[in-house]
Amino acid sequence: NAGVMQNPRHLVRRRGQEARLRCSPMKGHSHVYWYRQLPEEGLKFMVYLQKENIIDESGMPKERFSAEFPKEGPSILRIQQVVRGDSAAYFCASSPWVTGSRDTQYFGPGTRLTVL
Amino acid sequence: TQLLEQSPQFLSIQEGENLTVYCNSSSVFSSLQWYRQEPGEGPVLLVTVVTGGEVKKLKRLTFQFGDARKDSSLHITAAQPGDTGLYLCAALGTARQLTFGSGTQLTVLP
Repeated sequence: NAGVMQNPRHLVRRRGQEARLRCSPMKGHSHVYWYRQLPEEGLKFMVYLQKENIIDESGMPKERFSAEFPKEGPSILRIQQVVRGDSAAYFCASSPWVTGSRDTQYFGPGTRLTVL
Repeated sequence: TQLLEQSPQFLSIQEGENLTVYCNSSSVFSSLQWYRQEPGEGPVLLVTVVTGGEVKKLKRLTFQFGDARKDSSLHITAAQPGDTGLYLCAALGTARQLTFGSGTQLTVLP
C-alpha cells in the first residue's frame, strides 16, 4: 500500500506566478489535510477536506490560497500570485474515516516551494 | 487555539547519553501524539497517548502523558545517531486538525 504521495517534491516559482501542489492520499483514505512549515516555524494546519467538500479552512490565508479534493484525482493546493513569504514546505496528510481520539494522519514527503 | 510548548528547542548530545524532551500546555487534551521528522521528509507518527498517566514504550523511547492530560514527555535511553531528527508533539483538535508544538531538534553525535 503506497503512502501519501506529493508532487512535485520541489517547486520554484517567480513572484506573481501560480503554484499548484498535488497530493494523492493513501488508498482507502477519504480525508486530506494540508499543513505548512515555514522556515524556523512549526507545522501549521491550513485546511481539511473530504471528497468534494471543504470541512475546515480556518488555517488558510484569506487571499490567494485555495484547495480542492475532487471526486476523482488528487487534492490540489493552489497558490495564486505567489510572494516570497509563501516559500515553505507544504505537507499533505491523509486519514481513513475513523472517529475518536486515536485518529492517525499519515504525512507525505512534502513539497518545498521556493519563490524567487 | 491550543498552544503546545516544547523544550528544549535544540539538544545536542553524545551517543549513549539519555535525554528527555517535554511538551507542555495549559489546555487539557483528549490525546497527544509524538512525531519524528527527518530532513526533507514529512513527520512520522511515533505514538499516541490517550489516558492520563499513561506510559508507552517503543524500544529505547518512553512516552508519558501527564496525569492531568496537559503535558507529555519523551525519554530516550542510550541515544544513537539514528535518533537524530526533529521531534514534534501534536494535539488533535475538535475539527480533526493537528496542532503541533514548535519541535525539539535533536542531534546525537557519534
